[in-house]
Amino acid sequence: QVQLVESGGGVVQPGTSLTLSCAASGFTFSASGMHWVRQAPGKGLEWVAVIWSGGTNTYQLDSLKGQFTISRDNSKNMVFLQMNSLRAEDTAVYYCARGSSFSGGRPEYWGQGTLVTVSS
Amino acid sequence: QSVLTQPPSVSAAPGQKVTISCSGSSSNIGTNYVSWYQQLPGTAPKLLIYDDNKRPSGIPDRVSGSKSGTSATLGITGLQTGDEADYYCGTWDGSLSTHYVFGTGTKVTVL
Repeated sequence: QVQLVESGGGVVQPGTSLTLSCAASGFTFSASGMHWVRQAPGKGLEWVAVIWSGGTNTYQLDSLKGQFTISRDNSKNMVFLQMNSLRAEDTAVYYCARGSSFSGGRPEYWGQGTLVTVSS
Repeated sequence: QSVLTQPPSVSAAPGQKVTISCSGSSSNIGTNYVSWYQQLPGTAPKLLIYDDNKRPSGIPDRVSGSKSGTSATLGITGLQTGDEADYYCGTWDGSLSTHYVFGTGTKVTVL
């Protein structure tokens, strides 16, 4: 069965960097687009970024361009989210989700999330 | 700020029906399929409806989806206490459909 396990979250100070990881299993990872979605405490879902199956195409929320970078390693069945210059408003649970097609598609299966807290 | 608008909350008694609307525009709902997600308290979202009205395996037929123009609707009949959750619509947005967007979310309360 599809399994997605996020890791790398924690408490970090404003202005620092953090990289989240998502380990995938139970499906053909190299054929699936992958998403990152976040949810601030008590708030709704916010799409962050998507990466196509081959890794050559990536798209992200306009407000996060230059700050967050999505990448993947198909040899290790993993997707990453590098987050720089973190701010308090980046505090959220970050979910990775498998897309329904090679070019992203809808987020279909979700991991349990990893909490990132940006605080001094 | 989300481009897809949902009512903040809906409620009904057990066994009754609830409908949740999702209002968008020609650049998102008007040209792309809509999905619906259920998020039970403290858990990750789960896909309930895709391609406007299709149910993934395991989702009961008392859950339905529809779309007309730039709006979509989720319906749940035979409401159960286990349906108490947050519900989100989602679809692609933009001229090239390269950005995914979620609705503002709706809290369903079973009275």
